[in-house]
Amino acid sequence: EAGVAQSPRYKIIEKRQSVAFWCNPISGHATLYWYQQILGQGPKLLIQFQNNGVVDDSQLPKDRFSAERLKGVDSTLKIQPAKLEDSAVYLCASSTHRASNEKLFFGSGTQLSVL
Amino acid sequence: KNQVEQSPQSLIILEGKNCTLQCNYTVSPFSNLRWYKQDTGRGPVSLTIMTFSENTKSNGRYTATLDADTKQSSLHITASQLSDSASYICVVSGRGNKLTFGTGTQLKVEL
Repeated sequence: EAGVAQSPRYKIIEKRQSVAFWCNPISGHATLYWYQQILGQGPKLLIQFQNNGVVDDSQLPKDRFSAERLKGVDSTLKIQPAKLEDSAVYLCASSTHRASNEKLFFGSGTQLSVL
Repeated sequence: KNQVEQSPQSLIILEGKNCTLQCNYTVSPFSNLRWYKQDTGRGPVSLTIMTFSENTKSNGRYTATLDADTKQSSLHITASQLSDSASYICVVSGRGNKLTFGTGTQLKVEL
């Protein structure tokens, strides 16, 4: 079974530039999550999708971050414009549905460095 | 405020030795507790998921315990191997299936 695919693996940009990350979840997984993991910290949820609808985006900095999952499969996360504090690993995860004991499967992440 | 605290922050052990990692949480209401292993440069991988009624769960050399009364969990690793070197993250699921992540314990297994 293929895992959660993310690209790119690494991205270096200057502050105020834009960047986009892509995620393809495990086939058939209805729920997709984007997490931000700052070095030395646990992942922080940015946004959760159920199919192509947003379930939770309460911690997404909407002035600069946006995400979409138009066809309910793959998803993109965009930052525009980037700030130094956005340097982190951006993890995508998926699960079959939203049940409380559902196992999350994570991708390897995109490591973003903002200079 | 929902919080998950892990200890120790980091740990170095010799190959073949056992170790125990701790997790204390204040998440309420409680749904389940998970332990993840995160290798450097990789995403977290699920080790165990325990609900309120479960007080122990094993996955190979990994054994997790849960005391829902004291809101504590531990992850015991038996006969450690070099490949166990990773960050171990405790995650608690609460209201609305929201996950609260700990900051992890960084384990290094040496020869």
